[in-house]
Order: sequence, then structure tokens, then C-alpha cells
Amino acid sequence: EAGVVQSPRYKIIEKKQPVAFWCNPISGHNTLYWYRQNLGQGPELLIRYENEEAVDDSQLPKDRFSAERLKGVDSTLKIQPAELGDSAVYLCASSSIYDGTGDGYTFGSGTRLTVV
Amino acid sequence: RKEVEQDPGPFNVPEGATVAFNCTYSNSASQSFFWYRQDCRKEPKLLMSVYSSGNEDGRFTAQLNRASQYISLLIRDSKLSDSATYLCVVREGAGGGNKLTFGTGTQLKVEL
Repeated sequence: EAGVVQSPRYKIIEKKQPVAFWCNPISGHNTLYWYRQNLGQGPELLIRYENEEAVDDSQLPKDRFSAERLKGVDSTLKIQPAELGDSAVYLCASSSIYDGTGDGYTFGSGTRLTVV
Repeated sequence: RKEVEQDPGPFNVPEGATVAFNCTYSNSASQSFFWYRQDCRKEPKLLMSVYSSGNEDGRFTAQLNRASQYISLLIRDSKLSDSATYLCVVREGAGGGNKLTFGTGTQLKVEL
């Protein structure tokens, strides 16, 4: 079974440029998350989708970040314009609301963003 | 104050040692608890869930104290391959579909 697929794996951009990350969750997982992990820190939630609806975007810096999950499957996270402080690993994860234990929460391998 | 607090370490221990990690959480509405393992430049992966009665998986034992809002992980007979960052994780809801809140992680280095 394919896991959570993210692309690209690495991205280096100059500040003020736009950047986009893509995520394809595990088939059948209706909940999709974008997390950001800064160096030496744990992942922090940016946005959570249930199907195509963003149900928690309180931590998403909406002045420069946007996300979409148009058909309730794959998702795109965009930053425009990028700042130096956006350098981090952006992790996508998925889970099923029907998973009673919550053990089926799965992360993708992440996109490592460097803003120079 | 962070929602989930851990000692960042690093913990440097010899192979075969027993090591314990502790974690506290501030949200009393938290219902589910986990330890995740994260290898260098990799994504976090579930190590084990933590139950109120305590649970064991081979060399790993997890404990939960809801009254004190405290979670622990004990690793016995450490192996070189145990070297990683261990993330304490809590979730408000009992089932899937709810966000996970992560601690900063505790780095473990097991040495010869």
C-alpha cells in the first residue's frame, strides 16, 4: 500500500518567491493535515481538512499561506511570498475519522524548504 | 507554556543501558497519548500508544498518569538502533481525525 506521498522532497528558493507543496494521502483517509517542523522542534499543525473542508486553520498564517483540497483527496500548500523564517520541513499526514484507536495516523516524508 | 513539554536532551547512554523519558501535557481534555520516533531527516512514526493501565512492547514500556498529566517512556537494554528523537504526542479526541500536538522531542544517542 502506498503511504502518504509528498513532493518535492527538497526546495530551495529566494525570499519573496512563491512555492507550492503537494500531498497525496493514503487512499480512503478523509482527514488530511499539514504540519510545519522547525529545526529542533516537534511538528506544529498548520491546517486540518475533513474531506474538502478546512476544519482547523487557526495556526495558518493567512497573509502568506494558503491551502486547498478541492476534491477531498490530494492537497496543495502554498506560500507567497516566502520569508527566511519559512525555512522548515513541511509534513503532510492523513488519518481516518473511522479509526477508533488513532493508530493509523501516517506522515509523508516531508518537503524540506530552504529560503535564502 | 507549551502544551506538551519534554526535556530535549540529548541523552547519551551506553549500549545496554535503561533510559527513561518524561513528558507533561497541559490540556486536561487530552484523551489519547502516543510516543512517536523520528530518525534524522525522516518523518515521525508511531512507536506506541500509551494507555492508562500502562503498556509494554518488547523493550519499551509506556506509562500514563492522568491526574498528574504525565507520560513516560522506558527503554530497556538500549540498542544502537534506538538512537533517534522520541516525540511525546497528545490528542484531544479518542479516534482518528483529530490533530496531534507534539512535544519538542527528546534526542537519544546510544553509544558503544
